[in-house]
Amino acid sequence: NAGVTQTPKFRILKIGQSMTLQCTQDMNHNYMYWYRQDPGMGLKLIYYSVGAGITDKGEVPNGYNVSRSTTEDFPLRLELAAPSQTSVYFCASSYWGDTEAFFGQGTRLTVV
Amino acid sequence: ELKVEQNPLFLSMQEGKNYTIYCNYSTTSDRLYWYRQDPGKSLESLFVLLSNGAVKQEGRLMASLDTKARLSTLHITAAVHDLSATYFCAGLGTDKLIFGTGTRLQVFP
Repeated sequence: NAGVTQTPKFRILKIGQSMTLQCTQDMNHNYMYWYRQDPGMGLKLIYYSVGAGITDKGEVPNGYNVSRSTTEDFPLRLELAAPSQTSVYFCASSYWGDTEAFFGQGTRLTVV
Repeated sequence: ELKVEQNPLFLSMQEGKNYTIYCNYSTTSDRLYWYRQDPGKSLESLFVLLSNGAVKQEGRLMASLDTKARLSTLHITAAVHDLSATYFCAGLGTDKLIFGTGTRLQVFP
């Protein structure tokens, strides 16, 4: 009954470092999403995927990369971390694009 | 591209009172979603509104959708402290959910 699982929960990065945020879902959902949420703000879509092998940019893709080699996994890669990427990152999935989306618990990232 | 706006951004309510949160969106959206987020937590789905005129209720919360006016509302009846949270609406863009800025609700005695 795991749903959407994100790791790590917390991470501190130094400017210029790279890291991968992991996201996996066990609901056989086709669609997966990455959002970021800045303090006191709404969610901004970074990247999304409609199925294995297919990804597309959202509203704020710069500084990030994704891949979707399997239905279950949708990792988000940060290259050359910058303080502006300090945020909480949420992964979500849905069966189709118009069905209810389920969210992971989030990864709180600080870049110093 | 779809844009979603909520108002108010912040709402402080006394217990027992009623109030409505408004969600406007810029282009056609076949679906409208409401989520709740407690401080430091993830988002929890509240309602999925599928068509014009749809109304859904759960406890003290009732959501409705008017696709012609491009408006959804979340009505709170007789607020209680447990409803304190941030509420987001989201519209359906092409293959993706677009979120509003959220309404932070505080209910006080």
